[in-house]
Amino acid sequence: GAGVSQSPSNKVTEKGKDVELRCDPISGHTALYWYRQSLGQGLEFLIYFQGNSAPDKSGLPSDRFSAERTGGSVSTLTIQRTQQEDSAVYLCASSLPRGAREKLFFGSGTQLSVL
Amino acid sequence: AQTVTQSQPEMSVQEAETVTLSCTYDTSESDYYLFWYKQPPSRQMILVIRQEAYKQQNATENRFSVNFQKAAKSFSLKISDSQLGDAAMYFCASCSGSARQLTFGSGTQLTVLP
Repeated sequence: GAGVSQSPSNKVTEKGKDVELRCDPISGHTALYWYRQSLGQGLEFLIYFQGNSAPDKSGLPSDRFSAERTGGSVSTLTIQRTQQEDSAVYLCASSLPRGAREKLFFGSGTQLSVL
Repeated sequence: AQTVTQSQPEMSVQEAETVTLSCTYDTSESDYYLFWYKQPPSRQMILVIRQEAYKQQNATENRFSVNFQKAAKSFSLKISDSQLGDAAMYFCASCSGSARQLTFGSGTQLTVLP
């Protein structure tokens, strides 16, 4: 596709359930980021992938959060045993190798609501 | 660590007028980059303007320009001839030359009044 694609657009789940959020970056972009945006807040960095390098997981808030990127393309963010405080918009972005220093291309995010 | 502060949660401007959004940042690095991103109701963040810290000249992109005051660590965004389509949340962000991710401010919600 022409842009970064995220699915689902909205996800409602019950506390304690696991959820998977998907990100399909722009073709050829080696860098991929996940950010979390809580209501009325800025963006909180979660994880960064760059090519075949080990991901930077320094922003993951707990061990309930994990992410993988298969074949250097599609990425999945998994939240296990969801909690109400996990409710937020999860944004994915991709870029060329120089990454955030140049320009990030964002998807439209997944709005996660944990009841 | 870098920090970015936006002290104006909300701003409004009359259509065709000029508005300035404020941003201050803190960094210990000499090589860094500054950005303004726009987030419309669609949630998709879009880059508005980018500034390299080593460049003294202020960046401009059509109706958008910045006032980069390096010593004061200030990076404000000026929108001229405001249009209804400019209504959005605006985020200031920074990235050091060695870092891999952006640090964002808390955002300013801009309303454009017809």
